[in-house]
Order: sequence, then C-alpha cells, then structure tokens
Amino acid sequence: DIQMTQSPSTLSASVGDRVTITCRASQSISRWLAWYQQKAGKAPKLLIYKASSLESGVPSRFSGSGSGTEFTLTINSLQPDDFATYYCQQYNNYPNTFGQGTKLEIK
Amino acid sequence: QVQLVESGGGVVQPGRSLRLSCAASGFPFSSFAMHWVRQAPGKGLEWVAGTSYDGSTKYYADSVKGRFTISRDNSKSTLFLQMNGLRPEDTAIFFCAREGTATTAGTLCYWGQGTLVTVSS
Repeated sequence: DIQMTQSPSTLSASVGDRVTITCRASQSISRWLAWYQQKAGKAPKLLIYKASSLESGVPSRFSGSGSGTEFTLTINSLQPDDFATYYCQQYNNYPNTFGQGTKLEIK
Repeated sequence: QVQLVESGGGVVQPGRSLRLSCAASGFPFSSFAMHWVRQAPGKGLEWVAGTSYDGSTKYYADSVKGRFTISRDNSKSTLFLQMNGLRPEDTAIFFCAREGTATTAGTLCYWGQGTLVTVSS
C-alpha cells in the first residue's frame, strides 16, 4: 500500500500569512493527489485534484503543486475561515490512502 | 442538489455485525463510483472501501478486507456497508462519498454527514 506522510502535523499561523503543507508518497503517484479541508464536526471538502487543479468554488488563494512523490498545498493570505485540518489523498492505486492530516491553528 | 444521507450506525458489541446505508439523491446514482471513509474519534481520515458505478468492481482497505462488504442498489440509489466481526478499533464516524466527474474522477467530491459506529461491550 502507498503511505502518505504530511508535514507538519500542526501549523500555527496568523490571518494574512502564507502557509505551505507538504505531502510525501512512499512511491510515485504521478499527479493523482487530492487535498481536502475538514472543519470540526463536518465532512471533508475537496479543494484540489490532480495535484494542482482547483475544485470549482474554492478560493484562488489555495494552490497545489508537485508530482511523483512530493506535493505541496499553499494557502496565500490566510483568512479566518481557513483554520481547519487539511488532508492529502492519493488515488493512483487502491487502496486509496490519506495523509495523517495537518491542523492549521491560529497563532 | 447532491445529497448523501448515512444511517445504520449505533452501539454494537465486539464480534457482532452492522449494516450501514447511504441514501443518495440529486444525481444519477448509477453513473458514479461510491466510497466509504471513516474517522475514529479525534483521528484522521481512513479510506475504507469503494465500488464502481455498477457494483462490478470493489476495493477494500487491508484493515477491513474479509470483514466488510460494500454493495449498492442502483434501483434504490443506495450504498451499503455490511460490517461483520466488528472490533473496538472500528469505532468511528463512517462517511459515504461520491466520486467526481470525468476531470475529478477518483476524488471524493461529495460527502454525507456521517454515521457513528461504536464497538464496545
């Protein structure tokens, strides 16, 4: 199975900051990577697919990059609504696997 | 609009069985692959199982293979997860999710609100 490792596990930042979350795959997944945002008590929400494509309706301050085994999610100019937990997911192979999550906290 | 409503969760003793359902509406259910994802209390997301649009292909996480069975009834727009031999570590919120369309195929574009399964004696 492909292991997905996110870093950091927790990230403290302020409104207006630019933050980057990294996701590493244990083997190449080409660009078959998605990013999700989850707020407490809610279902996850798709943000990015195919490593860098923005899902419809997602603000342009979110962006993704990478291919192969290393990927990043960047959020420019953090807004109060962005403080949540973020997960990467590979869908190159079954079983699909998620990273362990990155909790973005207010500094 | 797309709606996914899970049901069937509850408290069950170790070793027993439970069947989850996910009622779908707002889209042509028989055209989309569907998945189950779970989240243990305070933990991250774990993909559990997925099925093709017609139910002919099914995939499972190693942690549930041989114990859980995913199925679907396209005539009733309903997804199921039959869970046998439940263990305390299966305690989680179970979400059903729909895959995206052509460009977003493989991703989980729509999610239900989840149903809580607690395995405890």
